[in-house]
Amino acid sequence: EPEVTQTPSHQVTQMGQEVILRCVPISNHLYFYWYRQILGQKVEFLVSFYNNEISEKSEIFDDQFSVERPDGSNFTLKIRSTKLEDSAMYFCASSEVEKLFFGSGTQLSVL
Amino acid sequence: GENVEQHPSTLSVQEGDSAVIKCTYSDSASNYFPWYKQELGKRPQLIIDIRSNVGEKKDQRIAVTLNKTAKHFSLHITETQPEDSAVYFCAPIYGGSQGNLIFGKGTKLSVKP
Repeated sequence: EPEVTQTPSHQVTQMGQEVILRCVPISNHLYFYWYRQILGQKVEFLVSFYNNEISEKSEIFDDQFSVERPDGSNFTLKIRSTKLEDSAMYFCASSEVEKLFFGSGTQLSVL
Repeated sequence: GENVEQHPSTLSVQEGDSAVIKCTYSDSASNYFPWYKQELGKRPQLIIDIRSNVGEKKDQRIAVTLNKTAKHFSLHITETQPEDSAVYFCAPIYGGSQGNLIFGKGTKLSVKP
């Protein structure tokens, strides 16, 4: 069964550093998303992406965040200057329409 | 914006019993109502969903019911098993959006053998 894959599974970084989280969505899906989950809390929407542009973003997705589809398969989330409060599990997801399939996540720890 | 409330926050049942989790939402334009299961340390996985033109949907031991007038939908699990233990999230799609799922705070279900 096709899966959304994410790399790395864990990322440790120093505050102020830039990180790039990578995702390979399911190949025939057209919509891509990033969500995050702070430990013990609910999953929060960050951004959705369709047709090579952002279709929606939440208040969390401020200027330090950006997304890109650099080629036909990868979808990336860049955090420019990480803060302690960016520590969370970041999930990528993709869908044909509404049914979202999530990747296994990248655990980001900002020290 | 959409306000999503889930009840209860924790639920403990004996194996074989039924479990019901309720989700209320505020956006009357919401038209897609999924439930996700998240086991500890793992990704959320869609277990059942329903659209606004349907009142009930069943898949083996799992069912979802929707009351659009009252703006709530519920997850029903019958004949619970220990492997049903997980956190369950309702995530109605924000009306008119694409994929902007607004997750509830989750219900931790524990099924005791």
